[in-house]
Amino acid sequence: NAGVTQTPKFRVLKTGQSMTLLCAQDMNHEYMYWYRQDPGMGLRLIHYSVGEGTTAKGEVPDGYNVSRLKKQNFLLGLESAAPSQTSVYFCASRKTGTIGQFFGPGTRLTVL
Amino acid sequence: KQEVTQIPAALSVPEGENLVLNCSFTDSAIYNLQWFRQDPGKGLTSLLLIQSSQREQTSGRLNASLDKSSGRSTLYIAASQPGDSATYLCALTRGTGTASKLTFGTGTRLQVTL
Repeated sequence: NAGVTQTPKFRVLKTGQSMTLLCAQDMNHEYMYWYRQDPGMGLRLIHYSVGEGTTAKGEVPDGYNVSRLKKQNFLLGLESAAPSQTSVYFCASRKTGTIGQFFGPGTRLTVL
Repeated sequence: KQEVTQIPAALSVPEGENLVLNCSFTDSAIYNLQWFRQDPGKGLTSLLLIQSSQREQTSGRLNASLDKSSGRSTLYIAASQPGDSATYLCALTRGTGTASKLTFGTGTRLQVTL
């Protein structure tokens, strides 16, 4: 099993460009999460999903959209990137009835 | 709003030393507390999980304690090794089921020197 994978690993955008980050998990987990990690602030929850076709806002959802069309994939979109969205983005998944979240390796995004 | 603080932000110790990492939180209404390890360029690896009804958990050279009443958790690392060098994050779980969410601390960056 690959666990949780994220694509791409690195990306540089110009202000105003759009992009989509892909998170994929092969563990048949119901829950999926997107976090961002900034220096000195820990990880903060952007959006999450409790199952296929559902999404919900986390702590810092502004400027991001998500979709969960397939159970194994959770997409994070930036419609118009801003320098404030420069961060490391982590995806995680969790199985219903369990506590532990499994994390992907992260995507480092720089917005110029 | 739950706030989670980790002190110190960075720590450097010589190999073989025992060390303690601290995590403090403002809201004691938590379901469990986890300690994660993060290596550069990699994701988070769960080290220990303490249920709210428990006081501590041990795994090898690691021991984590939880004191909900004082809003504190500690991660004790015995006989530190250079391979222990990483960032350590504590995270609290609030809510259950679909409402269950993690709140992360700010992290402690540990360097173990030869």
